[in-house]
Amino acid sequence: NAGVTQTPKFQVLKTGQSMTLQCAQDMNHNSMYWYRQDPGMGLRLIYYSASEGTTDKGEVPNGYNVSRLNKREFSLRLESAAPSQTSVYFCASSPRRNSGGAETQYFGPGTRLLVL
Amino acid sequence: QQQVKQSPQSLIVQKGGISIINCAYENTAFDYFPWYQQFPGKGPALLIAIRPDVSEKKEGRFTISFNKSAKQFSLHIMDSQPGDSATYFCAATGGYQKVTFGTGTKLQVIP
Repeated sequence: NAGVTQTPKFQVLKTGQSMTLQCAQDMNHNSMYWYRQDPGMGLRLIYYSASEGTTDKGEVPNGYNVSRLNKREFSLRLESAAPSQTSVYFCASSPRRNSGGAETQYFGPGTRLLVL
Repeated sequence: QQQVKQSPQSLIVQKGGISIINCAYENTAFDYFPWYQQFPGKGPALLIAIRPDVSEKKEGRFTISFNKSAKQFSLHIMDSQPGDSATYFCAATGGYQKVTFGTGTKLQVIP
């Protein structure tokens, strides 16, 4: 049981390049999330997927797109990377149901992205 | 709009001392208040959580105190150890609300 896995662990991009961050969970959770973590800013929600087949914007969605490929996988795509997207990206999952309810989030180890 | 305010930003405590981190929230719809612990290079992990029907929850050396009327809650780490050195995030959620995280407190416990 690996929990939440993320690839790659570290990536360097040039401005304007694109890339996809991959996330997978093996806990049969309904909900999945993408956060970015910046110094002094805490964890900010980029996008989330309450259940397979649905995605919604979070607090800071501009410049990103997501795909909930199936129940296990949730990817984050940067179409044209900018230096402002230099950050640590965390994927998380929770067993939260569609109708809400507060439940624990389980985080992956993170992807460190540097955009030059 | 920051719905959960966390302080202090950083904290240095002597080994054996008490570490205290405070959070305040605005949204009265919140009804679940977890604390996450994050070690360098790792993702956050749930440490302890509380619902507002109790004023205190204790798990080992970690205690959450909750003041519903003041909309404040705090994490107390008793007998702090160097292994507790990490970043701590408070959070709040409830109902249809997504989780909102505080900005984090970097704790350093010195021998």
